[in-house]
Amino acid sequence: DTGVSQDPRHKITKRGQNVTFRCDPISEHNRLYWYRQTLGQGPEFLTYFQNEAQLEKSRLLSDRFSAERPKGSFSTLEIQRTEQGDSAMYLCASSPGQSNQPQHFGDGTRLSIL
Amino acid sequence: GQQVMQIPQYQHVQEGEDFTTYCNSSTTLSNIQWYKQRPGGHPVFLIQLVKSGEVKKQKRLTFQFGEAKKNSSLHITATQTTDVGTYFCAGPHNNAGNMLTFGGGTRLMVKP
Repeated sequence: DTGVSQDPRHKITKRGQNVTFRCDPISEHNRLYWYRQTLGQGPEFLTYFQNEAQLEKSRLLSDRFSAERPKGSFSTLEIQRTEQGDSAMYLCASSPGQSNQPQHFGDGTRLSIL
Repeated sequence: GQQVMQIPQYQHVQEGEDFTTYCNSSTTLSNIQWYKQRPGGHPVFLIQLVKSGEVKKQKRLTFQFGEAKKNSSLHITATQTTDVGTYFCAGPHNNAGNMLTFGGGTRLMVKP
């Protein structure tokens, strides 16, 4: 079991730059989720895919954020024109296709905006 | 919108003491999940409770789901240094499917 893999682990960039993160879920998992976590807080839901379909997006996901899962396997999360407030840990999780299954999290990508 | 709150935010205990964290939701939940996040790590699933009044045990950990399905608790008996981490409860986001709303977590620190 290779688990959920995220890349890169750390990203440091200047304000205004675009960044893209990748998530590879557990291979047999249909569902994929993106969360954002800031220091001392719980993960906040951003968006959710079932296979390649993006089924829900949080109001936290401004128009600068876009996520894709083109073939129903790996997913990318892009942030355009980054701002200081985007600094956070971006966590990806996956779960099997049935409802209310445990979510398996990756190690996250820590984004720091200079 | 739906809110999930946890108290306390932090807890320091001496090794061997008991520990309890409480979770309250602003809405009735179809189920509640608990996760543990070690320092520098990612959340790891511990357990899911579904039924009103349900109690589940995992070794020294006891999880309860309230009768009204709006609150839950996690109790650790005789804490060990390996219990260090942040414990999160999470409920289905707006009670719809798998998206989760997490509480703010309780950070447990254990003094040896």
